[in-house]
Amino acid sequence: GEDVEQSLFLSVREGDSSVINCTYTDSSSTYLYWYKQEPGAGLQLLTYIFSNMDMKQDQRLTVLLNKKDKHLSLRIADTQTGDSAIYFCAEGSNDYKLSFGAGTTVTVRA
Amino acid sequence: DSGVTQTPKHLITATGQRVTLRCSPRSGDLSVYWYQQSLDQGLQFLIQYYNGEERAKGNILERFSAQQFPDLHSELNLSSLELGDSALYFCASSGEDPYEQYFGPGTRLTVT
Repeated sequence: GEDVEQSLFLSVREGDSSVINCTYTDSSSTYLYWYKQEPGAGLQLLTYIFSNMDMKQDQRLTVLLNKKDKHLSLRIADTQTGDSAIYFCAEGSNDYKLSFGAGTTVTVRA
Repeated sequence: DSGVTQTPKHLITATGQRVTLRCSPRSGDLSVYWYQQSLDQGLQFLIQYYNGEERAKGNILERFSAQQFPDLHSELNLSSLELGDSALYFCASSGEDPYEQYFGPGTRLTVT
């Protein structure tokens, strides 16, 4: 979506941390999301964060939100081959319809 | 497995034809959302239904329509199909927590 931007590709070594970045433009965004799409599969909701939060941690995933800069990031600790996928950043507001970025293809190399 | 089912998985049809995509939400979810994923437009919100009523509309063409039935399943109807309608069509559902949308596996539509 034109309101959400993310880099297209990320290559990371197995065991390292991955950081995927996203910027959005809608200041009324209430929720920011990260979805994962594996080849031939649907979208899996990984995590989401409310706009009044700065950080959310869920096992290997850490989401950081800088509301002033409208910047969202997803950090994956100890990246594994199973983490290879396309990661979509999305924003939503009170009408619940989501606007997605173009997706970041993460490739994990041995 | 998100619990959202979509049929068919693949659909190949010719230009000018009409197709119907079906979605069954997770058990108990009242909201259904339709999204289109194409190479040139990315993932775009089409339409949302809540308990049978249309709630929100996005970039949905007039040739497209949807409905949600009393048993909460939803259908997306695409008519006068064009080559550019070839895409993955996703259905998502949400329940008591409307911020959590769970996506189905998608229907891949190919228009030839």
